[in-house]
Amino acid sequence: GENVEQHPSTLSVQEGDSAVIKCTYSDSASNYFPWYKQELGKGPQLIIDIRSNVGEKKDQRIAVTLNKTAKHFSLHITETQPEDSAVYFCAARWDTGFQKLVFGTGTRLLVSP
Amino acid sequence: DTGVSQDPRHKITKRGQNVTFRCDPISEHNRLYWYRQTLGQGPEFLTYFQNEAQLEKSRLLSDRFSAERPKGSFSTLEIQRTEQGDSAMYLCASSQGSSGNTIYFGEGSWLTVV
Repeated sequence: GENVEQHPSTLSVQEGDSAVIKCTYSDSASNYFPWYKQELGKGPQLIIDIRSNVGEKKDQRIAVTLNKTAKHFSLHITETQPEDSAVYFCAARWDTGFQKLVFGTGTRLLVSP
Repeated sequence: DTGVSQDPRHKITKRGQNVTFRCDPISEHNRLYWYRQTLGQGPEFLTYFQNEAQLEKSRLLSDRFSAERPKGSFSTLEIQRTEQGDSAMYLCASSQGSSGNTIYFGEGSWLTVV
C-alpha cells in the first residue's frame, strides 16, 4: 500500500543555519505533496505544497523540491529562527478519486538561539 | 475566512461512554476530512465527505465510529462505547475541490478515555 518515509526524525540546528527534511513516497501515482508544521497542542498548518508537474517551489525562506524519478521530495528552510521549532510532516496524495493524504512520521526541528 | 473550527477542543470520558465531535469547515469548502493522530505519529485518514456524501472510509473506522455531514456544511464524528485505544487527537480538515484542493486542518479535538 501507499507509504511515506520521512527523515530525520529529529533535527537540531543553530539559528541562521539551514535545515533539510527528506521524504520518500512509494506510489508513483502520487501527484500532490504538501508540508505541514505542527506546534505542540495545535493542528497541522500548511506551509508549502508542490504538485507533480513542478520540480521546485519557493516561498521566502521555505522551498520544496520534488524528484519524481526517485520518488522523493524535500523541505528546505534557510536562515532558521527559533520560531521555526516545531514538528514538520510531509504528505502525499494522488488525485485519482482517492482524496486521502498519507503522512510521514514527522521531524522534530529544534532551532537554538 | 475563520478557518476550520472544532469543538470541543478537549474531552475526557470514561471507557464505554459515547462522545461526539463537531467540525465546521472553512466557508464554501465542499470537501471535509477526519483524521486521527496519536502522540509521535502523523495524522491517519479516517473518512472523507464531498458535500453530504461520505465517499471514503478507512479500515481504521470501526463500526463504533460514525461520521455525518447532513447538510454538506458541518460534520460530526461520534465514537460509541469508547475504549482506551481511542485516546488521540481527532483532526478535521476541509478543502475546495475546484481551487486546487489544498487541505486545511483545524486545531483538533483531544480525546482522553480513562
